This record gives sequence, structure tokens and C-alpha cells, in this order.
Amino acid sequence: DIVMTQSPDSLAVSLGERATINCKSSQSILHSSNNKNYLAWYQQKPGQPPKLLIYWASTRESGVPDRFSGSGSGTDFTLTINSLQAEDVAVYYCQQYYTTLPYTFGQGTKLEI
Amino acid sequence: EVQLLESGGDLIQPGGSLRLSCAASGFTSSSYAMSWVRQAPGKGLEWVSVISGSGGTTYYADSVKGRFTISRDNSKNTLYLQMHSLRAEDTAVYYCAKCSGSGGGWFDPWGQGTLVTVSS
Repeated sequence: DIVMTQSPDSLAVSLGERATINCKSSQSILHSSNNKNYLAWYQQKPGQPPKLLIYWASTRESGVPDRFSGSGSGTDFTLTINSLQAEDVAVYYCQQYYTTLPYTFGQGTKLEI
Repeated sequence: EVQLLESGGDLIQPGGSLRLSCAASGFTSSSYAMSWVRQAPGKGLEWVSVISGSGGTTYYADSVKGRFTISRDNSKNTLYLQMHSLRAEDTAVYYCAKCSGSGGGWFDPWGQGTLVTVSS
């Protein structure tokens, strides 16, 4: 199994500041055939299902504010939230879809103001 | 607009069986794989199973293999999860999610979830 490890488990950031969440995979999720990293980021607010933010490690889903950005390649990835807003309080998960045996998520990072 | 609506969650005794359903609308079902993902109370996300767009290929997490069966009826735009031999550790909100491609990929969107509680 590909193990996804996020850091930190939780963080508190002031409004208007930058939040950085890291995700590390136990093996490379960069596919040589297309040079794409098979990584997605999700946001889950309390009482709601997860919402897709980023796929292919850095492609922002339609409608997601541009203060959200993803970066990284191979085994190390980062979700950056610039100019933190109150509505960004949530738990954030990374997920690899490089292999279905099995798909795996990080343990989640709780973001607070 | 793509919409997913799960149903079938319930309070069930250990060892019991339950079938979850996920009604999909707003897209051509057979063109996309579908997945079930669960979340135990206060815990993170755990992928459970995926089925290809045609229904011909399925994969399961080791934790449910041999007990759960994923299936779909594309004529009804409905995804199912048949669960047998339920255990306390299967207690969770079960989400269905549309995959980005016919074989798998990222999950978008997700349904609102249905709660399965396994307890005596």
C-alpha cells in the first residue's frame, strides 16, 4: 500500500496569513507515461462531505478560489492557502490515485484560525 | 449538475447485513467509475471500494474484502454496496463518490453520506 502522511496534524493560522500543509507518499506517485502526479487535495468542513480542491497535484478544480494552490512532485507535496479566510477552517486531506490497490488518504490536517 | 444521494444507512447488529444505494444524476453513469469511501466518527477518510464504469472491474480495501460487494445498475444510474458480516468497526458515514474516469481517479463530487451504525 502507498502510505500518505500529512504534516502537521493541526495548525492555527491568523486571518490573512498563509497556511501550508504537507503530504508525503511512501513511494513516488509520478507516472512516467504522462509525467503527472496522481495526487488530489480535499477540503472537509464540519458536517459536510469532502470537496475536491486540487487534482494532478497542482490543477485547481473549477470554482476553487485561487488562494488555494498545490505543488510538489514524486513523493512530496504541499497545499498552500494564501490570505486565509474564516471559511477556510476545515480538515484537509491528500489522496493518491496512482493505484487502486488501495486508494489511500492522508490522516488529515485540521486548520483553525 | 452532478448529484449523488446515498440511502440505506441504519442501526444494525453485529453480524448483520445491509445494502446501501447511491442514486446518481447529471452525468452518464457508464462513463465513470464510482467509489465508496467511509469515515468513522471523528476519524479520517477510508476508501472502501471502486467499480469501473462498465461494472466489470471491482476493487476492495482489505478491511472489507470478502464481506462487501460493490455493484451498479447503469440503467437506473444507481450504485450499491452490499455489506455482510458487519462489525463494530464498520460503523461510519458511507459516502459514494464519482471518479474522474472510467477506471478510477480522483473523487468528485461526493454525496452527503449515509450513517451505518453497527451495535447491539
